[in-house]
Amino acid sequence: QVQLQESGPGLVKPSGTLSLTCTVSGGSISSSNWWSWVRQPPGQGLEWIGEIYLGGSTNYNPSLKSRVTISVDKSKNQFSLRLSAVTAADTAVYYCARVQSQLALAMDVWGQGTTVTVSS
Amino acid sequence: QSALTQPASVSGSPGQSITISCTGTSSDVGNYNFVSWYQHHPGKAPKLIIYEVNKRPSGVSNLFSGSKSGNTASLTISGLQAEDEADYYCCSYAGIITPYVFGTGTKVTVL
Repeated sequence: QVQLQESGPGLVKPSGTLSLTCTVSGGSISSSNWWSWVRQPPGQGLEWIGEIYLGGSTNYNPSLKSRVTISVDKSKNQFSLRLSAVTAADTAVYYCARVQSQLALAMDVWGQGTTVTVSS
Repeated sequence: QSALTQPASVSGSPGQSITISCTGTSSDVGNYNFVSWYQHHPGKAPKLIIYEVNKRPSGVSNLFSGSKSGNTASLTISGLQAEDEADYYCCSYAGIITPYVFGTGTKVTVL
């Protein structure tokens, strides 16, 4: 059974770059063609950040597009998120998720989430 | 792309049925049957409970059901149980520019 685990620094300085990795275990990253990042700021709802296709193409939330990069390393069964020029508004729990085309593009497997705080 | 609109909170007694609405536009909910629902207990991973408007993934209780009419999707929990107390989010495919838009979230309280 596929499991996802986010990892990365829990504290990032303002104007710095947030970098997170999602490791796929219990199966192959090729179990799906699309992989997403979602975040939840404190006291707020879920916000879709972006997704990557195993072939390398990406889609990003227009509100974050200028600052986001999602990449994949199939050899390591991982995909990653980079968010540049962060501010306090980027403080959130960040989740990685598998998008399953067989389930009408629903996100059927999620990581536990990792908290990232932007503060000096 | 604005977030889909959900009621902030819904409550019910054990055994009751509740329905959560999710209102979007003709660009998302109204244009695609790619509506999914997620149950989120704080501190845990969100869980997919409905996909493609009204389908349940394997292992999800049949007390959860989904529907859609026009620009509004709905999630019904029949026979409310204590463990159903959680936050619920809808999500719709919204086209190639912004593939996904989530709802504002609904806190379900079991009285």
